[in-house]
Order: sequence, then structure tokens, then C-alpha cells
Amino acid sequence: DTAVSQTPKYLVTQMGNDKSIKCEQNLGHDTMYWYKQDSKKFLKIMFSYNNKELIINETVPNRFSPKSPDKAHLNLHINSLELGDSAVYFCASSHFQRSGMNTGELFFGEGSRLTVL
Amino acid sequence: GQSLEQPSEVTAVEGAIVQINCTYQTSGFYGLSWYQQHDGGAPTFLSYNALDGLEETGRFSSFLSRSDSYGYLLLQELQMKDSASYFCAVDFSGGYNKLIFGAGTRLAVHP
Repeated sequence: DTAVSQTPKYLVTQMGNDKSIKCEQNLGHDTMYWYKQDSKKFLKIMFSYNNKELIINETVPNRFSPKSPDKAHLNLHINSLELGDSAVYFCASSHFQRSGMNTGELFFGEGSRLTVL
Repeated sequence: GQSLEQPSEVTAVEGAIVQINCTYQTSGFYGLSWYQQHDGGAPTFLSYNALDGLEETGRFSSFLSRSDSYGYLLLQELQMKDSASYFCAVDFSGGYNKLIFGAGTRLAVHP
């Protein structure tokens, strides 16, 4: 029973297209994230939601739009895809902790590899 | 700005001990995490240090010195399956586990 699951696992598409990636977690966590890992394996946070509310929105082009219908789901829609969007996108989840009680533990999905041609 | 520095590659032999260092400069700090990622896989959590000192979990240990903005991951009794990338990550969010990751250290374990 997968804890954090993402679909699709692979996406190959043309420049200019729009695509979505879905993520679901069954861990009962209240915080979910999207991370982007580029070809040099650098992991960069994009967004985070806590109980459906956007709490972290890094400097990401507004072509990227996250949506959280409920606290177990966080989807990512990308408009007008560009070559530079090619990467592996990881969804992750964690419990919200009060300050000073952090665990530093994120549970990652298996990733969605996006290739833009 | 935020920056984390770790070596890009480390090579070791089976049964050896290896230490992966991480230095950081961030605007806030709640703790230092370590993650392992095998090629094609997801990052998986190894350890978290919020306070100075050494945390041991089986063959892996992690150390933090907040005054030196420095930490390390120590892997003992290396096995072939430990060949992977290892990332340090600073949590500077206060509750939301907003992690900033280093660029990763690729560990190659040879027979």
C-alpha cells in the first residue's frame, strides 16, 4: 500500500502543451509539497500546502499552478510547457509540527519524470 | 541567501567507514536532515538533528554543530547497497518542514 503515490510516473510532451501531475498520500499527513529535481539532482521546493491552504510558494513561474482539493491530495498543473521544465517532480508529505518540534522528515513519492521535447 | 555545501562525490570500499560533511548558511535554522536517494528512486529520510551532538541509527550516525553551521553523516560497515546519493537539508521553516537541500553527495561503494 503506497504511502505517497504520484501519477503519471513518466510524461513526454511537446513544448507549449499543458500537463498535470496528481499526488495522493494515505499517511494522514496535513502538509504536502512539490519538489523539482533537475538533471544535476538538485532538489528545490516549489510549493507546500497545509490543510488545503498554500503556505509555501517559492519563486516559480505562474505557469505552475498547484491545487489541493483536500489534505490528502495535491496536484500540479503546468501550462505552456518549456524545455527547461524537464525534470523529475516529487510530491512529499509530512505532519505539521509546532516550532521546535520539527522532525525534518518528509515522505516522498516515487517521482514523475517530465520530458519536454 | 541560503546555501549548503557538501562534497559532490565520495568513493569507498565495502566494510569501510565514510563521512559526508555538510556546511550551511541559512537565514533560519531548526534542524539538519539527511536523505538517501538511489538512482531512479525517491529520497528517503535517514536522520534529523535539531540539537548539537551525535545521533545513531544502526550503521548510520549524524552529527550537528550549530555554532559551526556544520554537520556530517557517518556510514559504517559500508555495503554495496549504500551506493546512492546523500543529501543534507536544512529545515528553516518552523513547523512546516520547509527543507532546503544541498546538491547531494554521490557515494560509490566498491568491493
